[in-house]
Amino acid sequence: GEDVEQSLFLSVREGDSSVINCTYTDSSSTYLYWYKQEPGAGLQLLTYIFSNMDMKQDQRLTVLLNKKDKHLSLRIADTQTGDSAIYFCAESKSGGYNKLIFGAGTRLAVHP
Amino acid sequence: EAGVTQSPTHLIKTRGQQATLRCSPISGHTSVYWYQQALGLGLQFLLWYDEGEERNRGNFPPRFSGRQFPNYSSELNVNALELEDSALYLCASSWALEGEQFFGPGTRLTVL
Repeated sequence: GEDVEQSLFLSVREGDSSVINCTYTDSSSTYLYWYKQEPGAGLQLLTYIFSNMDMKQDQRLTVLLNKKDKHLSLRIADTQTGDSAIYFCAESKSGGYNKLIFGAGTRLAVHP
Repeated sequence: EAGVTQSPTHLIKTRGQQATLRCSPISGHTSVYWYQQALGLGLQFLLWYDEGEERNRGNFPPRFSGRQFPNYSSELNVNALELEDSALYLCASSWALEGEQFFGPGTRLTVL
């Protein structure tokens, strides 16, 4: 089946690390994505990881993938107020399907 | 490099009317995707076009249709509008059949 789940809300202090978690059910997923959506805006692709990888790091962002548990996480180091947004986890599959299945999104609130 | 563009930004229609939304992909991208982000329903896949052909369709009624032009831009048409069609419609493009999808800012459709 196709289902992606995320916790709905996360509050962190400025300068701390944020960890946003996601679980998915389809083991045939090939790519897993993290998108950011600011109020009134479209989706910004932050990073993605291929299913044969365990970790990917890109500046302040670290993605960890646990294929056995079908768990994906996004860690944002030194979280800033500009990181306040909704973060969506999404999965896609190969084989001509090409649609992204999104989680409900995690609202990250960064406070001083 | 210009990103994905969408027009109009906002669209207000009344129930029963037709709406036409437009999308221009990133230069060089051949695939265009449409997603609906409705309040309470999250992001749902609508349609995927590649090289002028419809490749995949989400679980939406036939009154949601579209097309892709020879220059790879795309149009989404929604006929016989219903109140629940009110949503943010997001277009995305990718350079290959399984490439990462980059999103535009969206068109907010309000049905009165």
